Amino acid sequence: GAVVSQHPSRVICKSGTSVKIECRSLDFQATTMFWYRQFPKQSLMLMATSNEGSKATYEQGVEKDKFLINHASLTLSTLTVTSAHPEDSSFYICSARVPNGLGGGYTFGSGTRLTVV
Amino acid sequence: QKEVEQNSGPLSVPEGAIASLNCTYSDRGSQSFFWYRQYSGKSPELIMSIYSNGDKEDGRFTAQLNKASQYVSLLIRDSQPSDSATYLCAVNRGGNQFYFGTGTSLTVIP
Repeated sequence: GAVVSQHPSRVICKSGTSVKIECRSLDFQATTMFWYRQFPKQSLMLMATSNEGSKATYEQGVEKDKFLINHASLTLSTLTVTSAHPEDSSFYICSARVPNGLGGGYTFGSGTRLTVV
Repeated sequence: QKEVEQNSGPLSVPEGAIASLNCTYSDRGSQSFFWYRQYSGKSPELIMSIYSNGDKEDGRFTAQLNKASQYVSLLIRDSQPSDSATYLCAVNRGGNQFYFGTGTSLTVIP
């Protein structure tokens, strides 16, 4: 089946530093990827839609200068949390639409647990 | 009004019973509907997708869709302790607009 590989799975960083999270589609091309954030006991909240070769589309309330998204190839999207603060600590998950030939629907990366200290 | 609403639970059922999870959505134009299971600290995994009115069965899982009532449900027959998780309802309005409910926590008691 279609797999999205997400790294790192866990990261602890100091306040004020930047963290990069990568998502790769392993056996299909993903022209669009989605980045979600999930706080404890809450649902997934869409942060932005990443489009290969063009600018990402951010949801209302998400700071595009703080959460930098790059989708430079058909298989790789990255999310960089810049100048991270403790309130950015969360579970970040990427997702991609699966081609119908591989089952359709959406598949998720394994998630990244970010802790900012 | 939220795009997708679910009862947060927790829902507890004894092992072997039927667990019934419900979800309502606000946009009548919604086209496709999904149920995901999420274990604590893990990312969601797809259980079922449903696109047309009626029932869709896959093993112990049955998804039910009623577009007139804007209602989608998931039934889990012969519930097992390993089914204990949070179940997320997701709705796609077409294109890439994809909305999740807050999830229902299910506990299956041995």
